[in-house]
Amino acid sequence: AQTVTQSQPEMSVQEAETVTLSCTYDTSENNYYLFWYKQPPSRQMILVIRQEAYKQQNATENRFSVNFQKAAKSFSLKISDSQLGDTAMYFCAFMPGTYKYIFGTGTRLKVLA
Amino acid sequence: DAGVIQSPRHEVTEMGQEVTLRCKPISGHDYLFWYRQTMMRGLELLIYFNNNVPIDDSGMPEDRFSAKMPNASFSTLKIQPSEPRDSAVYFCASRSGGRTEAFFGQGTRLTVV
Repeated sequence: AQTVTQSQPEMSVQEAETVTLSCTYDTSENNYYLFWYKQPPSRQMILVIRQEAYKQQNATENRFSVNFQKAAKSFSLKISDSQLGDTAMYFCAFMPGTYKYIFGTGTRLKVLA
Repeated sequence: DAGVIQSPRHEVTEMGQEVTLRCKPISGHDYLFWYRQTMMRGLELLIYFNNNVPIDDSGMPEDRFSAKMPNASFSTLKIQPSEPRDSAVYFCASRSGGRTEAFFGQGTRLTVV
C-alpha cells in the first residue's frame, strides 16, 4: 500500500526562526510527485511547494524549501524566517502514476510572536 | 477564474437524512477528486473522476455514499442515510491533466446530529 506518514502532529516555532516538518512515504514506484499543502484556519488548501521524484535538486519557493531523500523516501519541509501567517496545518502529499493524491495526517504548526 | 466552488459551506442534518454535496470544478480541468477530512484520519480520498468517468472509488466508505459527475462542470457526493460518524469536512478538488497541482474548494463542513 502507498502511504504518507507525518509523525509530528503539532509543532511550534518562534517568529523569525526556522522549522522543519517531517514526512515519509512508502511506494514501489520510481516516478511520482511530492507536495506540501498549507491549510490555514480559513480551511483553504494552498499549494506550498512541489517536487518531481526524477529531479535530484531540492525544490525551493522563497522561504520554503524541501529536503528530498529518494532512497530514504523522505520529504521534509523547511520554513525559514517563520512568520505569524505561516500558522496553519501542513499536509504532505504524494502522487504516484495513478494520478491520485495521497495525503498524510498533517502537522499543525503554530508560529509564536 | 472563480476556482473550485463547493456548496453548501456548512450543512447540519439529522441522522438518517439524505445529504447532497455539490462541486463545480475549474473550467477545463479533467480530473475531479472528493476528499474527506477528519482529525483522526486526515485527508482521505473517497473517489476521483477523469473526464467525468469514475476511476477509483475504493475510498468510498460504504454503500451509503455515492458520487456522480453528469458533466464536466458539476459533481455531487450523496450520503443516504447519513450517520453521526459521517461528520467531517468534505473537499472537492480539480486538476488539469497536463499539470500536477490540484486546486481545492473551500470544503463543506458536514455535521450529522
